[in-house]
Amino acid sequence: SQELEQSPQSLIVQEGKNLTINCTSSKTLYGLYWYKQKYGEGLIFLMMLQKGGEEKSHEKITAKLDEKKQQSSLHITASQPSHAGIYLCGADMGFNAGGTSYGKLTFGQGTILTVHP
Amino acid sequence: GAVVSQHPSRVICKSGTSVKIECRSLDFQATTMFWYRQFPKQSLMLMATSNEGSKATYEQGVEKDKFLINHASLTLSTLTVTSAHPEDSSFYICSARDPATSGNTIYFGEGSWLTVV
Repeated sequence: SQELEQSPQSLIVQEGKNLTINCTSSKTLYGLYWYKQKYGEGLIFLMMLQKGGEEKSHEKITAKLDEKKQQSSLHITASQPSHAGIYLCGADMGFNAGGTSYGKLTFGQGTILTVHP
Repeated sequence: GAVVSQHPSRVICKSGTSVKIECRSLDFQATTMFWYRQFPKQSLMLMATSNEGSKATYEQGVEKDKFLINHASLTLSTLTVTSAHPEDSSFYICSARDPATSGNTIYFGEGSWLTVV
C-alpha cells in the first residue's frame, strides 16, 4: 500500500516568513492533492499535481511535484495568520484504464501550521 | 461555495441508536463517493467507497454492518452508523470527484461530528 510521510509535523512561523511543507511517498505518485483543513472542519482543495516536475501556484501558495513523482512540496510565501491550519497531502490511489481517477485518496499525517502575527 | 455538502454538521445520539449522515454533490453528479473518518489530531482514514446503484466497498477492518452506506442517486450518499457506541464518536467526512474539472478534482464535504453518549 502507498504511504505518505509529511514533514514537519508541526510548524510555527512569524507572519511574513516563508515556509515549506514536504510530502514523500513510498511509491510513484500519479496524482497528488494538497488540502487545507481547519480542525473539525472540511478540507479545502488547494492544488492537484500529476506530472513530474509540475508546479502550480495560487496566490501565495506554490506546490511542486518532483521529476521522479515521489515527493511534493508546498511553499507559502510571506505567510499570514489566515494561512494557519492543517495541511494535508493526499495521493490518488489509482486510475482506471481510461486515465480517470477513482477518486480514492490516502493521506499523510498532516502538518499543523501556526502563524504568529 | 461548497460543491460537496454534508448534513448534519454535528449530531449527538444515545448509545444503541442509529444516526444517518448525508453527503451531497451540489453541482455535479457523482457515481462514486468516499467516506472517511478522522480521529482527533490524526489524518483521514478511508472507510468505504459508495457506489451509485450498487453495494459499497469497505476498507479492511471497517464493519459493513455497522456503517451502512447507501448511494441511491447520483448526488446523494448516506452513511448510517447503526447501534452507535461511544467509540464511534468521531469526525466523518465525505468526498466526491468532479469529472468536469481539470484533473478530476476531488472535493470534500464540511464534515460531520458524531458524539455518542
